[in-house]
Amino acid sequence: AQSVTQLDSQVPVFEEAPVELRCNYSSSVSVYLFWYVQYPNQGLQLLLKYLSGSTLVKGINGFEAEFNKSQTSFHLRKPSVHISDTAEYFCAVNINQGAQKLVFGQGTRLTINP
Amino acid sequence: EPEVTQTPSHQVTQMGQEVILRCVPISNHLYFYWYRQILGQKVEFLVSFYNNEISEKSEIFDDQFSVERPDGSNFTLKIRSTKLEDSAMYFCASSESRLYGYTFGSGTRLTVV
Repeated sequence: AQSVTQLDSQVPVFEEAPVELRCNYSSSVSVYLFWYVQYPNQGLQLLLKYLSGSTLVKGINGFEAEFNKSQTSFHLRKPSVHISDTAEYFCAVNINQGAQKLVFGQGTRLTINP
Repeated sequence: EPEVTQTPSHQVTQMGQEVILRCVPISNHLYFYWYRQILGQKVEFLVSFYNNEISEKSEIFDDQFSVERPDGSNFTLKIRSTKLEDSAMYFCASSESRLYGYTFGSGTRLTVV
């Protein structure tokens, strides 16, 4: 069965600093990968996704992620964060066959300090 | 931009009572899902629904849970006899295809007392 590990439960950074949120997955078959963001008291919003092709994918709000098959990772990055990026970020995987469900990581709480 | 709409946003219910959580998926989507998030924990898959039947369910989705698409627009989750541990945020989602990711609603916060 596939699983998703987000190595950091909390990441504090200063405004305008770069950030990387780490995500590793395990699966014996090819996968689709997603990052979702959850702002306080709101639902889950899709940031970006990797289906195939270029391993560097760009999403909304200046975020990007890189799929690394050999390291089974899909880390999320932003070169310069804003206060408004304060939120919970979830990595998720959907295996490329059969199942129609997303498996989520535990989430990383990104806190931006002024 | 099309949205998935969930009602109510908050629900408080007595233990043992039945609750129905309602969702209106995006109109041209074919796949429907329920997920839940217990406070402070990860988002967990409950059930997926396609072509008017359950296509997959998790071990959480026991006999106390059921889903229905009673008409062309609504998608409901029923919990027959709520327990304290059912307290969570419940998210509905829909997708055209799993290739495109899912659109989630803003959730229903269920509190069982």
